[in-house]
Amino acid sequence: AQSVTQLDSHVSVSEGTPVLLRCNYSSSYSPSLFWYVQHPNKGLQLLLKYTSAATLVKGINGFEAEFKKSETSFHLTKPSAHMSDAAEYFCVVILKYNNNDMRFGAGTRLTVKP
Amino acid sequence: DTEVTQTPKHLVMGMTNKKSLKCEQHMGHRAMYWYKQKAKKPPELMFVYSYEKLSINESVPSRFSPECPNSSLLNLHLHALQPEDSALYLCASSQGTSAYNEQFFGPGTRLTVL
Repeated sequence: AQSVTQLDSHVSVSEGTPVLLRCNYSSSYSPSLFWYVQHPNKGLQLLLKYTSAATLVKGINGFEAEFKKSETSFHLTKPSAHMSDAAEYFCVVILKYNNNDMRFGAGTRLTVKP
Repeated sequence: DTEVTQTPKHLVMGMTNKKSLKCEQHMGHRAMYWYKQKAKKPPELMFVYSYEKLSINESVPSRFSPECPNSSLLNLHLHALQPEDSALYLCASSQGTSAYNEQFFGPGTRLTVL
């Protein structure tokens, strides 16, 4: 069985401060992992993905994530938050052998204060 | 063209109505998906089409009927829905169904069942 757990349902930061959104996964196989962002009343946009290449993955809008197999984690970070980063963030896992069946974490709502 | 389009944006229907949601992509993707997203929840996979054939049906009630007329189009036919079916319906596409292929999402159709 496989699943993904986002450890915080809500994270609040001040503009210009670092962002950390935490994600842990469980999988019997080597997983593919993704971070998606969803702005209010919008579809989902891919931020970055890990598919067994480099463990430090750089994405769009200054976000990056590091795959740590020993900790089964794939935390999302950004050095300096911007007001436009306020959104819902989903960590997603796919079993490599499966039919691109994406399993979403519960989501983390990021609030950015001025 | 790197967009997935969905129509309509909003739909209000009664429990006895028949309606359809439409999704279109012109990226040459051969896999297309329907997701259901309730408020403040992650998307839940409903159906996967691969090369215009249904490959995954996540035990969705028969009042939802998917159709893939060609490689660019995906429809979701709705009949005799219940108020609890009110949700944001998201369409996505990917190059294939390999775990390496990220999914591109449309903006969704917000459905309200009265």
